[in-house]
Amino acid sequence: EAAVTQSPRNKVAVTGGKVTLSCNQTNNHNNMYWYRQDTGHGLRLIHYSYGAGSTEKGDIPDGYKASRPSQENFSLILELATPSQTSVYFCASGGGTGGARQNTLYFGAGTRLSVL
Amino acid sequence: GDSVTQTEGQVALSEEDFLTIHCNYSASGYPALFWYVQYPGEGPQFLFRASRDKEKGSSRGFEATYDKGTTSFHLRKASVQESDSAVYYCALGHNNNAPRFGAGTKLSVKP
Repeated sequence: EAAVTQSPRNKVAVTGGKVTLSCNQTNNHNNMYWYRQDTGHGLRLIHYSYGAGSTEKGDIPDGYKASRPSQENFSLILELATPSQTSVYFCASGGGTGGARQNTLYFGAGTRLSVL
Repeated sequence: GDSVTQTEGQVALSEEDFLTIHCNYSASGYPALFWYVQYPGEGPQFLFRASRDKEKGSSRGFEATYDKGTTSFHLRKASVQESDSAVYYCALGHNNNAPRFGAGTKLSVKP
């Protein structure tokens, strides 16, 4: 069964600290995405990738970096975490027929991050 | 840029009620439109999609029809159950851009 696994599931960080959220997929999908979920805003796109070695900025990239070292792994990095980055973060891989436009997204279970 | 608007932030119904969640989009051409559902403690999961005008997508008793004239893809279900309580997201895929999601609608169904 296709799977997207996120780690850690919960994280408490201090302001100014570095945080790395990891994502692994076994779907063999080229496309991977990071979203954050906040009440009233839904899912907002932070960074995405079309394949190993590539990263693209989404709609809210400020304060975040992304890394795609392999087809399977996609990380989200907060170099200097701030309380405004407290949120639930979801990773997804995208695949299926019909091209990227029709990609079905498969999500991980999420990482709940609190920055104190 | 491309965007999706969900009108209702929360919907409260009783079992066997009719459900409508409104979704309107803004994009040129013919984007692909999706509905995802998220249960508590889980990530969103794909419900169904449509990619052409007048195409109907459906799954698990839910359905929506792509309407380019009104730029809409409203989610409907004839008779909701308590187990349908979840957050529903409308999403848009366009060209090779990453999918964009609406703000979500929380559905609560009373037994």
